[in-house]
Amino acid sequence: SAVISQKPSRDICQRGTSLTIQCQVDSQVTMMFWYRQQPGQSLTLIATANQGSEATYESGFVIDKFPISRPNLTFSTLTVSNMSPEDSSIYLCSVVGRTEAFFGQGTRLTVV
Amino acid sequence: AQSVAQPEDQVNVAEGNPLTVKCTYSVSGNPYLFWYVQYPNRGLQFLLKYITGDNLVKGSYGFEAEFNKSQTSFHLKKPSALVSDSALYFCAVREGNTGKLIFGQGTTLQVKP
Repeated sequence: SAVISQKPSRDICQRGTSLTIQCQVDSQVTMMFWYRQQPGQSLTLIATANQGSEATYESGFVIDKFPISRPNLTFSTLTVSNMSPEDSSIYLCSVVGRTEAFFGQGTRLTVV
Repeated sequence: AQSVAQPEDQVNVAEGNPLTVKCTYSVSGNPYLFWYVQYPNRGLQFLLKYITGDNLVKGSYGFEAEFNKSQTSFHLKKPSALVSDSALYFCAVREGNTGKLIFGQGTTLQVKP
């Protein structure tokens, strides 16, 4: 299994600002994944972050809005840029072991 | 395209009674299926998985799931529910070898004393 530390655990931000979420894994992994969980909704994949290359974004998500860094095999950041109230969600990072995925505890973001 | 459906938004059960949380899937090829649980203000915790082998899979906290290929279902079960099982449950399918997960919409399980 993998232990994932994600921070901040929660934040309240003003609209128009940006927030960077950090994800640290206790082992080296090739791919890291960022998901969004809007209020009362399921999880939706934002992007896949590979070390040494640009992140791959899912349909409906763009790099300008959600820039991702992956400087090494144990760390990644997701920035939520120019935030609006619609960005209020839980953001989770994830890594995949041999078969199952493991998740950080999530960042609960509220945009006011 | 692969998809997962959880037909019930909420399941209510009395403590001590058996519980079932339903999940159906649509995939091309052999499915990799998972159940996760989310407690309030917590991340997702892995419960169990079906990759291959026995159709009845046992997981954490006394949960099990039955893979049924003909009905394309992967229902989560527990013989005797606990109040502490109350949480949000997600069924998910892995997209090929990408590592990406496609989630169902989630089912809230409410176990009453």
